Amino acid sequence: AQKITQTQPGMFVQEKEAVTLDCTYDTSDPSYGLFWYKQPSSGEMIFLIYQGSYDQQNATEGRYSLNFQKARKSANLVISASQLGDSAMYFCAMREGPQQAGTALIFGKGTTLSVSS
Amino acid sequence: EPEVTQTPSHQVTQMGQEVILRCVPISNHLYFYWYRQILGQKVEFLVSFYNNEISEKSEIFDDQFSVERPDGSNFTLKIRSTKLEDSAMYFCASSESGLGQEYSNQPQHFGDGTRLSIL
Repeated sequence: AQKITQTQPGMFVQEKEAVTLDCTYDTSDPSYGLFWYKQPSSGEMIFLIYQGSYDQQNATEGRYSLNFQKARKSANLVISASQLGDSAMYFCAMREGPQQAGTALIFGKGTTLSVSS
Repeated sequence: EPEVTQTPSHQVTQMGQEVILRCVPISNHLYFYWYRQILGQKVEFLVSFYNNEISEKSEIFDDQFSVERPDGSNFTLKIRSTKLEDSAMYFCASSESGLGQEYSNQPQHFGDGTRLSIL
């Protein structure tokens, strides 16, 4: 079974609108972390936002927020007021277990976001 | 802002040759990682490194691969006898030290990647 599932291969949004990128995860570990990364066409991986399994509140970072629904095992990324520069591939990733030495991130297949003017 | 740097940005190598990919992690980070991304596919974990030894590795990381921290700043990935299917973007990442909940939110910071092309 997939540990991280991103069901939207591509999403389209108009500038200044909000968009939600879906991510569901599968783990039996009570302690885990969820990350979102952005990969522009130039290829680098840019960390956006983090949500811990024990966090009581949804994470927010500027225009990025995470809609964390623990019972449904979903961690959707919400981008408000989309900008042309938001066009990129977005990856959801999970770290299982508490922060240990060298814990691997498990990535989803990604969602390509296209923002139009 | 400190960043992870990788060299070269693009490496072209003949099949069967050895290649070394280089990384300089963020200076106060103690955990280092290598990931790869085959074109159009998801990012896959290869190996993690801590305290001068491998702490975790995936099934991909077989005897063809090795990692080393030759000095206080560099972290290298060596691929021996390269194959066509080794063509991919290779990412180095690093994260801060520490165990426990207070460090659990530390992200892995990625470099810009090395695009490896095997001919």
